[in-house]
Amino acid sequence: DAKTTQPTSMDCAEGRAANLPCNHSTISENEYVYWYRQIHSQGPQYIIHGLKNNETNEMASLIITEDRKSSTLILPHATLRDTAVYYCIVSSSNTGKLIFGQGTTLQVKP
Amino acid sequence: DSGVTQTPKHLITATGQRVTLRCSPRSGDLSVYWYQQSLDQGLQFLIQYYNGEERAKGNILERFSAQQFPDLHSELNLSSLELGDSALYFCASSVEQGYGYTFGSGTRLTVV
Repeated sequence: DAKTTQPTSMDCAEGRAANLPCNHSTISENEYVYWYRQIHSQGPQYIIHGLKNNETNEMASLIITEDRKSSTLILPHATLRDTAVYYCIVSSSNTGKLIFGQGTTLQVKP
Repeated sequence: DSGVTQTPKHLITATGQRVTLRCSPRSGDLSVYWYQQSLDQGLQFLIQYYNGEERAKGNILERFSAQQFPDLHSELNLSSLELGDSALYFCASSVEQGYGYTFGSGTRLTVV
């Protein structure tokens, strides 16, 4: 599975959009981009995933560049409850397993 | 409630002992995954089962073993426990390989 690179930490003001970048320059054509988050010591929570096209759900939007080498997770209106570690993971449907890196610690500030 | 049930939530045991962690996947999910999260290691993939068969192995120690039963629940057995095995152990499930997981709330194991 391709490796991902994320900033270690980011801050965001409450009510503003949080844009979390992820680089995955070695991604293969059959590999998906997944985003999860972990709030404190709770179980990681699925946010969104995509292959080529941009995706949106009730939690977030995922923007994947045309060359698929990077992506951005957008939380449109961050709240204090969005403070968490956000993981960007690349994985193919063949392997199934998701390998978590260190993620980005997002701190949403009042 | 994610639909993935892990028991017990907390476990304190002594070094050298053996424990069993249990996971009931979300209804309809065939795949079960186990992860270990310690303070200095992050989330480490241990092992995956799909419909009763082992499908992938990660950084799982020989002292650890797992299985998935016909009713699809899974157990992670940890033996000859060491202080360094103290961690959060998460189970996740998915309908099939390649789909997003749903995680349980974890079992916090403390070895004293």
